[in-house]
Amino acid sequence: EAGVVQSPRYKIIEKKQPVAFWCNPISGHNTLYWYRQNLGQGPELLIRYENEEAVDDSQLPKDRFSAERLKGVDSTLKIQPAELGDSAVYLCASSLDILSTGRDTQYFGPGTRLTVL
Amino acid sequence: DAKTTQPTSMDCAEGRAANLPCNHSTISGNEYVYWYRQIHSQGPQYIIHGLKNNETNEMASLIITEDRKSSTLILPHATLRDTAVYYCIVRVAFGGSSNTGKLIFGQGTTLQVKP
Repeated sequence: EAGVVQSPRYKIIEKKQPVAFWCNPISGHNTLYWYRQNLGQGPELLIRYENEEAVDDSQLPKDRFSAERLKGVDSTLKIQPAELGDSAVYLCASSLDILSTGRDTQYFGPGTRLTVL
Repeated sequence: DAKTTQPTSMDCAEGRAANLPCNHSTISGNEYVYWYRQIHSQGPQYIIHGLKNNETNEMASLIITEDRKSSTLILPHATLRDTAVYYCIVRVAFGGSSNTGKLIFGQGTTLQVKP
């Protein structure tokens, strides 16, 4: 079974430029998460989707970050414009669903390492 | 904020058991203990989770104290490939709160397996 797929794996951009990250969750997983991981820290949740609905985006900096999951499968996270402090690893995770014990384990992709110069 | 306390780092000899402790003294009845690990330059990898009973799978064993205030992850025969940051996470599993299912990572324990 294929795991969570993310692309690109690495991205280097100048500050003020836009950038987008793509995630394809494990087949059949209804819940999708985006996390940000700063150097030396644990991942922090940015947004959680149940199918195509964003049900927890309280940690997403909405002035410059946006996300979508139009058909309830793939998702895109965008930053516009990027700032120096956005340099981090952006991780996508998915789970079958959120409220059924045994079906809510999150599986992570390899992440996208963003460097903003 | 993370609700767990872990040692910053630990060493283990290859082939020996690695015992990683975690304190979660404020754990609630509807919260599970999850363990993930993160090998350098990879995403976090699920290891095991439990509510109150001890659990074992092909990767590890999880021992949870009777009062649920602490737990230990056991890697029975550590290899060099087990060198990673290990995260112990207390996670709301049910109850319908806004935190249901949310993983809040702390700093984790850096386990170094040495030959």
